[in-house]
Amino acid sequence: GAVVSQHPSRVICKSGTSVKIECRSLDFQATTMFWYRQFPKQSLMLMATSNEGSKATYEQGVEKDKFLINHASLTLSTLTVTSAHPEDSSFYICSARGEIWEAGGLNTEAFFGQGTRLTVV
Amino acid sequence: GEDVEQSLFLSVREGDSSVINCTYTDSSSTYLYWYKQEPGAGLQLLTYIFSNMDMKQDQRLTVLLNKKDKHLSLRIADTQTGDSAIYFCAEKASGTYKYIFGTGTRLKVLA
Repeated sequence: GAVVSQHPSRVICKSGTSVKIECRSLDFQATTMFWYRQFPKQSLMLMATSNEGSKATYEQGVEKDKFLINHASLTLSTLTVTSAHPEDSSFYICSARGEIWEAGGLNTEAFFGQGTRLTVV
Repeated sequence: GEDVEQSLFLSVREGDSSVINCTYTDSSSTYLYWYKQEPGAGLQLLTYIFSNMDMKQDQRLTVLLNKKDKHLSLRIADTQTGDSAIYFCAEKASGTYKYIFGTGTRLKVLA
């Protein structure tokens, strides 16, 4: 199946610094990637939709200047948490839209990375 | 608006069947999914069902969809300790690739 690699898996940073998280589709091209945030014991909340070569679409309440998204190629999207604060500590997960062959034909699905646990101290 | 709800916890004995339930509100959803999340890990797609289907079986997994009641369930036969995880149901919003996730059900399998 399609593989999405997210890096780093864990990061600890000091308050006020910026952190970049990478999301790569390893064996397929992804014109669309998604960034989610998951608080402890809660569900995933979509932060933004990233389209290759264009500006990301942010969900309501997500600060675009705080969470910078770049999707410069068909296999890489990055999320940069700028001027991180302890309240930004969370689990961030990306997903990439890809196509898989099934008995019924070609199907488009979202494949998820393994997530990045960000801790801001 | 869009909302997906699940019960928070489920505990079963090893070898028994587990049934995880989910309700959703968007009647125009075209696909409904079940994902598994192990501690500290990302999401693994387990199975999904088209909205025009009532049931889908995949090895130990059986998905039932009641479109009239907007109710989705995942049955895991012969539950093993390795099945202990959080299970999320999700719907794909019609006309988009936006996934709406449920709150997740934490399944604990007792040996």
